[in-house]
Amino acid sequence: DGGITQSPKYLFRKEGQNVTLSCEQNLNHDAMYWYRQDPGQGLRLIYYSQIVNDFQKGDIAEGYSVSREKKESFPLTVTSAQKNPTAFYLCASSSLSGSSTDTQYFGPGTRLTVL
Amino acid sequence: AQSVTQPDIHITVSEGASLELRCNYSYGATPYLFWYVQSPGQGLQLLLKYFSGDTLVQGIKGFEAEFKRSQSSFNLRKPSVHWSDAAEYFCAVVGYSSASKIIFGSGTRLSIRP
Repeated sequence: DGGITQSPKYLFRKEGQNVTLSCEQNLNHDAMYWYRQDPGQGLRLIYYSQIVNDFQKGDIAEGYSVSREKKESFPLTVTSAQKNPTAFYLCASSSLSGSSTDTQYFGPGTRLTVL
Repeated sequence: AQSVTQPDIHITVSEGASLELRCNYSYGATPYLFWYVQSPGQGLQLLLKYFSGDTLVQGIKGFEAEFKRSQSSFNLRKPSVHWSDAAEYFCAVVGYSSASKIIFGSGTRLSIRP
């Protein structure tokens, strides 16, 4: 069954802690993305990666970090520098070639709450 | 700069009634256009997409959308809604030269009246 998995589904963090959100895909997609979603708002791009060992900042990268050591995996770390991290985080992936180029497919999301 | 506008924040329709969700985009050339649906607490599911060709696009769950270049619109329609269609709907655009960065509208929440 091909798809994108995110874990955990719910995550609680104390102030001052770093936490890492997992995103794995078995679609053989080249590109992966992290978005943040706040109530009543659309999605905002945090980071994206089009190739292993390379990634680019999105619109709201401050306080976040990523790595792309494997094609299938794109973990997101929410650092203590992120002032308002409580949100719903969505991971997506897309192919960069073929008929489905630029079509992004999403994981089920992780809800992060800062206590 | 690219942008996507969904002018309706919340729409309520009766079950069995027709539906149209509005989407307007701003982009210099013909963009790639998408509609996604999100149920509460879930990820986004792709409903349909327009890349080129026929301007009326059929999607899953009985949805369709029409690309109108003259109006810079990509409105989503369904002839008869079901209670299970209650969700948040997002229109999105990717510019051909934007390195696959997708821009989302702010979403339209659809409620279904029994």
